[in-house]
Amino acid sequence: GQQLNQSPQSMFIQEGEDVSMNCTSSSIFNTWLWYKQDPGEGPVLLIALYKAGELTSNGRLTAQFGITRKDSFLNISASIPSDVGIYFCAGQRYGDDNYGQNFVFGPGTRLSVLP
Amino acid sequence: DAGVIQSPRHEVTEMGQEVTLRCKPISGHDYLFWYRQTMMRGLELLIYFNNNVPIDDSGMPEDRFSAKMPNASFSTLKIQPSEPRDSAVYFCASSLLATQYFGPGTRLTVL
Repeated sequence: GQQLNQSPQSMFIQEGEDVSMNCTSSSIFNTWLWYKQDPGEGPVLLIALYKAGELTSNGRLTAQFGITRKDSFLNISASIPSDVGIYFCAGQRYGDDNYGQNFVFGPGTRLSVLP
Repeated sequence: DAGVIQSPRHEVTEMGQEVTLRCKPISGHDYLFWYRQTMMRGLELLIYFNNNVPIDDSGMPEDRFSAKMPNASFSTLKIQPSEPRDSAVYFCASSLLATQYFGPGTRLTVL
């Protein structure tokens, strides 16, 4: 089935540093989504991207929808301790009766922020 | 809006017992998804509904798992009989378009 690859799998950074992570696929997606999951909670939507090349910001977060529609990246600037968590990318593709199988989650990037 | 509501938040049960997980989606959303999350397998889609109708249950691991959505505001995921390997966090999510909104999850432990 379709799979998303996320890199890095985990990262340790110092508070104040910028963070960059990406998500790639062998398949084309119409929508890319980035979620953050805190311990003991469900994933929370951070940014949604609907158009190839789109660059969207949400506070210190910036995400881009790759031109090839097969990748996306997420940047976090000036990291703070509350940025700790698991960041998931998800891709969704339209035009298929089977909506669910066209919504795929990546394995996540685990971010740790050291004070 | 209260968001997606799941209950219970934690469930501990013994092998062989029946477990029922509950979900109330966001009002107006027409899709509802059930996911399972484990360290080994990450987030797995189990089943999803559109307008209360099950569309794809190919992710349901075994016949021991069943899900229902009797109306637009309520869904259940049932495991009968439960087994230790069913221990995981089960999430419900709902959506109107592409963006899924997740509930807080139910952490299930089967002893």
